[in-house]
Amino acid sequence: EIQLVESGGGLVKPGGSLRLSCAVSGITLRTYDMHWVRQAPGKGLEWVSSISTGSSYIYYADSVKGRFTISRDNARNSLYLQMNSLRAEDTAVYYCARGVGVEAAIYLNWFDPWGQGTLVTVSS
Amino acid sequence: QSVLTQPPSASGTPGQRVTIFCSGSSSNVGTNTVNWYQQLPGSAPKLLIYNNNQRPSGVPDRFSGSKSGTSASLAISGLQSEDEADYYCAAWDDNLSGWVFGGGSKLTVL
Repeated sequence: EIQLVESGGGLVKPGGSLRLSCAVSGITLRTYDMHWVRQAPGKGLEWVSSISTGSSYIYYADSVKGRFTISRDNARNSLYLQMNSLRAEDTAVYYCARGVGVEAAIYLNWFDPWGQGTLVTVSS
Repeated sequence: QSVLTQPPSASGTPGQRVTIFCSGSSSNVGTNTVNWYQQLPGSAPKLLIYNNNQRPSGVPDRFSGSKSGTSASLAISGLQSEDEADYYCAAWDDNLSGWVFGGGSKLTVL
């Protein structure tokens, strides 16, 4: 069974930093693109960032560009999201998701499965 | 304001057929494949339809997807109470170099 388990969420003050982790089991992480998607309380889904299998291709939403950094450790079967300069509008549940689709075509991915999410609250 | 436009709500009675539309542009839906996700209350999203009209194993054939031009749709036939959920469409956007989601459609089974 494929499992994605996020951790690292919590309460942080505006301007602070957090590092989210996504532990993956049941698959070999190095063969899949990976993604972060977030959902603010009571709101819809918002794509945050994506990383290709070998980290050659990395993409960010404009709302987080320059503040967030996605990375992966294929040996540890883990995905990360370093979040700096956090703002109140970054408050959300953050989900990691496996990308499935055509090899070397991250833009053709679909997200399956998703983790259960980790809540990040940015507040003073 | 989401890049992909969905109706905020949809409803139907048990057994009915409901269709949720997703409107985009030439840089996203018009060029790339559309995926649909179902989010049950209190749960993480789950893949429902991929590549416009493909169902993952385990998804009932009551769910179907289609795409024409810059619009996509999700149809649910034989509506059941357990279908009450939020539904999201998503596609890659060539101009933004990233994924865009619809705002989500909350389905109510009356």
